[in-house]
Amino acid sequence: ETGVTQTPRHLVMGMTNKKSLKCEQHLGHNAMYWYKQSAKKPLELMFVYSLEERVENNSVPSRFSPECPNSSHLFLHLHTLQPEDSALYLCASSQDPARAGGEKLFFGSGTQLSVL
Amino acid sequence: AQTVTQSQPEMSVQEAETVTLSCTYDTSENNYYLFWYKQPPSRQMILVIRQEAYKQQNATENRFSVNFQKAAKSFSLKISDSQLGDTAMYFCAFLNPLTQGGSEKLVFGKGTKLTVNP
Repeated sequence: ETGVTQTPRHLVMGMTNKKSLKCEQHLGHNAMYWYKQSAKKPLELMFVYSLEERVENNSVPSRFSPECPNSSHLFLHLHTLQPEDSALYLCASSQDPARAGGEKLFFGSGTQLSVL
Repeated sequence: AQTVTQSQPEMSVQEAETVTLSCTYDTSENNYYLFWYKQPPSRQMILVIRQEAYKQQNATENRFSVNFQKAAKSFSLKISDSQLGDTAMYFCAFLNPLTQGGSEKLVFGKGTKLTVNP
């Protein structure tokens, strides 16, 4: 198995639920990312992990909590979300985010989240 | 702050024809990178082409090529011999070189939805 795999593909949750999104990469990359893709808006970078250490947190509300237990796995824990959080959540990986060489990102197919 | 603008929300083209997608950006940097990503209905974003700002030669990848106009801050994507599988959202993206924080920030446009008609 290769590439970046995200589960679940679709998720519907109530505002009081707790759920987690999972991302796994089989590319041997050192960096992993969470992006939020909302309708008619540019992709928004949420979090960046490099070698399992968080290096970027773009003022994301605390109801989103990332976790990177190792360089191959990335989670996004969700708690008391709002309807406006409904979006496609994309995971990506790259070899080394510290390279100033225009790293190619490898994306998963995303989790389509609906918050009711 | 850098911004990326894609002025065409939707476009369509006949199979085997050529189509050009527009992208402009705003930056005060001299060295940077530009990308076109494709997102088909499967939702997985795939890198189509990459351009380094210090290279004057336009990047090409098979049927995909760019027209990079640095002075005009324009980076359009040309798709030749369009195929049904080219139907997708296309995102233009800008990357600033490393900042002092040591992390990268890829700035995306809102995307252009391209439909290739048989």
